[in-house]
Amino acid sequence: SAVISQKPSRDICQRGTSLTIQCQVDSQVTMMFWYRQQPGQSLTLIATANQGSEATYESGFVIDKFPISRPNLTFSTLTVSNMSPEDSSIYLCSVVQGANEQFFGPGTRLTVL
Amino acid sequence: GENVEQHPSTLSVQEGDSAVIKCTYSDSASNYFPWYKQELGKRPQLIIDIRSNVGEKKDQRIAVTLNKTAKHFSLHITETQPEDSAVYFCAASGGSGYSTLTFGKGTMLLVSP
Repeated sequence: SAVISQKPSRDICQRGTSLTIQCQVDSQVTMMFWYRQQPGQSLTLIATANQGSEATYESGFVIDKFPISRPNLTFSTLTVSNMSPEDSSIYLCSVVQGANEQFFGPGTRLTVL
Repeated sequence: GENVEQHPSTLSVQEGDSAVIKCTYSDSASNYFPWYKQELGKRPQLIIDIRSNVGEKKDQRIAVTLNKTAKHFSLHITETQPEDSAVYFCAASGGSGYSTLTFGKGTMLLVSP
């Protein structure tokens, strides 16, 4: 499976600031997603990162809060904007390979004070 | 949209016993059902999956069964070992082409030596 990396691995941020998370894959992939995993909870899909076009957001998530870029088939960024303590979560990117198998990056642990 | 229910939320077994985790889904069009294992502080790892044209799939000590009529699928782990201790998530996706994964809430499995 593809090797997926994320930067940063963790960060502590102040309320009202923004953080951009990077996801890098070692091979070209068509489908890439961003998930949020709140402490002790399941995974919730934020959006599908579409290469060359605007991301597709799930209900409850908006572009102004979570802008996403996908400049090519190996890279994407997720920005968490105007952060509040409720945004403290693990953010994971994932990619699809093979016959729809989905693989996850190592995650970015975000704490907002 | 799809809704996935997972039970139990926690499961404690003795080493060597079997463990069964059950999931139900709501969308009859769903046709792909993966299971993920997430150890503490790690990313979710795909451990086994099943598609709607198959009723059962095995991989060493783990197996998954699917009942499309009843819209439920289960993960079976035999001869459990302490290293099986983790949170397990089921998921479902379906429709034509690739569609997004909807996750269950997770099962924390504890295997005691």
